[in-house]
Amino acid sequence: GAVVSQHPSRVICKSGTSVKIECRSLDFQATTMFWYRQFPKKSLMLMATSNEGSKATYEQGVEKDKFLINHASLTLSTLTVTSAHPEDSSFYICSAMSRSLYTDTQYFGPGTRLTVL
Amino acid sequence: AQSVTQLDSQVPVFEEAPVELRCNYSSSVSVYLFWYVQYPNQGLQLLLKYLSGSTLVKGINGFEAEFNKSQTSFHLRKPSVHISDTAEYFCAVSAPMKTSYDKVIFGPGTSLSVIP
Repeated sequence: GAVVSQHPSRVICKSGTSVKIECRSLDFQATTMFWYRQFPKKSLMLMATSNEGSKATYEQGVEKDKFLINHASLTLSTLTVTSAHPEDSSFYICSAMSRSLYTDTQYFGPGTRLTVL
Repeated sequence: AQSVTQLDSQVPVFEEAPVELRCNYSSSVSVYLFWYVQYPNQGLQLLLKYLSGSTLVKGINGFEAEFNKSQTSFHLRKPSVHISDTAEYFCAVSAPMKTSYDKVIFGPGTSLSVIP
C-alpha cells in the first residue's frame, strides 16, 4: 500500500513554456501533499504544502506565481512550472500524507526530471 | 524549529562489512524520525521510522536505527552491506502538529558506496 505516482517521469521543454506535473496517491486519500525540489547531489528542499481544497502554503523564497500548485482532490495534486527557464531544471518530487489512524508518514513519488532548454 | 545533521557526506565501505550512518537532530519538541534511501534518478523510499515506543527500530533491507533522546541521535546501521546498498541516504525529522501539516526536514544526505 501507500503508493504515490508522478507523471511524467521525465520532461524536456523549451524556455518560456509551462509544464504540469501530476502527483497521485494510488491507494489512499492524501489530505496533504508536499512538493520538493532536489538539485544534483543535494538534499530535498520543500517548496510548498497543499491541503485538499485550500490554497497551497509556500516556503520562503519560492515564487507562488511561478510554481502553481493545485490539490483538486484527495488523490491528486499538480505542480505547474510557468514560463520555465533553464534554472528551473531540476528533479521535482512529491509526497503524500494521510492523517488516517496510525499514519504519520510521507510517501514519496518517484520524481520528475525537468530539463528546460 | 527542527534541524538535521548528517556528519558524513560520503561513506565508503567494503562489501559484507558493517556500516553506521550518523544522524543528529535538534528540536524543542518531540519528534518523529525517518531514514529514507534514494537510488540514482529515483524518488525516496522509506527505510524505517521512529514514532514512539521501542527505541530500536528495524526497517527494510536489514537496516535498523536506534533513537537516543539524550544524544539527540538516530544512527542507521547494517551489520553486512551489499553492493545493492549503494545509494544516497537521508535522515529526516518532523514535529507532529495536530492542527497543521507535519513539515519534514531533511538532512543533507550521506552517500554510501559499497566497494566490491
